[in-house]
Amino acid sequence: KQEVTQIPAALSVPEGENLVLNCSFTDSAIYNLQWFRQDPGKGLTSLLLIQSSQREQTSGRLNASLDKSSGRSTLYIAASQPGDSATYLCARGGNTPLVFGKGTRLSVIA
Amino acid sequence: GAVVSQHPSWVICKSGTSVKIECRSLDFQATTMFWYRQFPKQSLMLMATSNEGSKATYEQGVEKDKFLINHASLTLSTLTVTSAHPEDSSFYICSARDQVSGSYNEQFFGPGTRLTVL
Repeated sequence: KQEVTQIPAALSVPEGENLVLNCSFTDSAIYNLQWFRQDPGKGLTSLLLIQSSQREQTSGRLNASLDKSSGRSTLYIAASQPGDSATYLCARGGNTPLVFGKGTRLSVIA
Repeated sequence: GAVVSQHPSWVICKSGTSVKIECRSLDFQATTMFWYRQFPKQSLMLMATSNEGSKATYEQGVEKDKFLINHASLTLSTLTVTSAHPEDSSFYICSARDQVSGSYNEQFFGPGTRLTVL
């Protein structure tokens, strides 16, 4: 069974802190790994997509890495801001539809 | 990036009625669309994969006769919740895959539809 696990489930940090969100998956035969942001009651916003041939992707203050051999991906957020508060979901893509983790609820305190 | 819209954004209906939710890819063609359901504080659970011009593929435990999916064009898929009951109240999200040359590319998600069944 393909599973995606996200740790921690919730995280609260002061504004300005750098932080790392973790995602692990059981099947190394992935096509891509995607990170999303979800605000309460809203849909998903795609943040970063890492193809299986890539090791990392960067967008602004966000950096996502992918290590297929260990089945792990991390999302690094630099200089966190209160506007970063949301739930962050990772999802693995393969020859099946996306499989989502349960997400990490991030709160950035001003 | 590509844009996916959903309509309506929220709906309240009486138990026993049917509700139709539309999912549209606005600036790209999507041969494959996906329907998810999300309960409060839970992750997204895939309900079905919608393929243009053919029958949808439902995940285990999802009743195909209750959740009717139609994908009649490359930009529109609809989900109809038939004879809705309070336990069907949930957040329904669709996504569309911008598939290029058979490679599995990024999925783009709609803003979701909040269904409340009284």
